[in-house]
Amino acid sequence: DAGVIQSPRHEVTEMGQEVTLRCKPISGHDYLFWYRQTMMRGLELLIYFNNNVPIDDSGMPEDRFSAKMPNASFSTLKIQPSEPRDSAVYFCASSPQPGNTQYFGPGTRLTVL
Amino acid sequence: KNEVEQSPQNLTAQEGEFITINCSYSVGISALHWLQQHPGGGIVSLFMLSSGKKKHGRLIATINIQEKHSSLHITASHPRDSAVYICAGWKTSGSRLTFGEGTQLTVNP
Repeated sequence: DAGVIQSPRHEVTEMGQEVTLRCKPISGHDYLFWYRQTMMRGLELLIYFNNNVPIDDSGMPEDRFSAKMPNASFSTLKIQPSEPRDSAVYFCASSPQPGNTQYFGPGTRLTVL
Repeated sequence: KNEVEQSPQNLTAQEGEFITINCSYSVGISALHWLQQHPGGGIVSLFMLSSGKKKHGRLIATINIQEKHSSLHITASHPRDSAVYICAGWKTSGSRLTFGEGTQLTVNP
């Protein structure tokens, strides 16, 4: 199994631009989580999906952030417009059941100039 | 007060030493996860436990439900164990992980 796949691994963009992060979970995992990691706040849950349905998006910082999961093998996290304070590492993780071991992707390091 | 608190924040050890990282958590957390994050940034799940003790190689994780406390032990530490170790609690209400601040471990040869 290839594990959780994220792309791109690094993204550098300018303030105001749209950014799209992508995630492919492990096949058969019904739960998909998006996290953000910063030096100041550590790891934070942004949103998670169960069977492609968003269950809890209370961690999404503001309306500039949106996430979709059109099918069981693909999810996107979009930031529009991006701001310098969005600079962070964004992780996607998947899990077969809630509370079970989560398998993390390699992360996307986002830098907004 | 954070729902999951780790100590110490930083830990430096000599190769071969026995290492302990502690985690205390609040009510509402039903399971504890221990994660490892290497300097390259990738996160690996080491253990998930809701009771007792688990062992994998030189790593041992324990949890005391009454005291709401978990420990991660590393026996015969090695420089390749140098990483950030993160304790995370699974909140039954909300079905989400809540993370500790992490412990930066450095093992010197």
